[in-house]
Amino acid sequence: GENVEQHPSTLSVQEGDSAVIKCTYSDSASNYFPWYKQELGKGPQLIIDIRSNVGEKKDQRIAVTLNKTAKHFSLHITETQPEDSAVYFCAAPIKAAGNKLTFGGGTRVLVKP
Amino acid sequence: EPEVTQTPSHQVTQMGQEVILRCVPISNHLYFYWYRQILGQKVEFLVSFYNNEISEKSEIFDDQFSVERPDGSNFTLKIRSTKLEDSAMYFCASSEAGLAGGEQYFGPGTRLTVT
Repeated sequence: GENVEQHPSTLSVQEGDSAVIKCTYSDSASNYFPWYKQELGKGPQLIIDIRSNVGEKKDQRIAVTLNKTAKHFSLHITETQPEDSAVYFCAAPIKAAGNKLTFGGGTRVLVKP
Repeated sequence: EPEVTQTPSHQVTQMGQEVILRCVPISNHLYFYWYRQILGQKVEFLVSFYNNEISEKSEIFDDQFSVERPDGSNFTLKIRSTKLEDSAMYFCASSEAGLAGGEQYFGPGTRLTVT
């Protein structure tokens, strides 16, 4: 069925190391892939997104890569800092399900000082 | 920086009661959404709204749910007769354009507790 799978569910890294979160999606027609950061007690905050006409996008310490053939996209955080600790969600529009934004299960990232 | 606002931040209600959750989307946005997040789970789409009508809704959005844009700034979600399983965080979001073109910005959420 229409789905967005996200791995890992938890990720613990040392401050300064990199963190990588991967998502796969089912609908090959999906063309927009946002990443959201959710801190405790707050709403999801859009941190970066990528459209299907590019393979990679960077914004300072955050980057997203997209492989349309394999139907997966990844979030890369370099030089992690304690304030990067949060739950991260990927999302994609699953057109077969009506073009709504479908979220992955989330990754709880803990950056240890 | 413009942001989506939601009220109340926390709503406690008894089973069977009606609740209305309120949102003020970003002012120049045209597309509005409601999502739900049960504690510890992923964010789930409920409904999208454009041009004063529902454009899409999920299986969760049954006859107990309704949305309205009563004026030029507010966007509301009504649950007619709440159930225990309606307890969740409810997020409003808005975007300037439709899904393929517009980033969705989320509000801080309303925590609904049904007792």
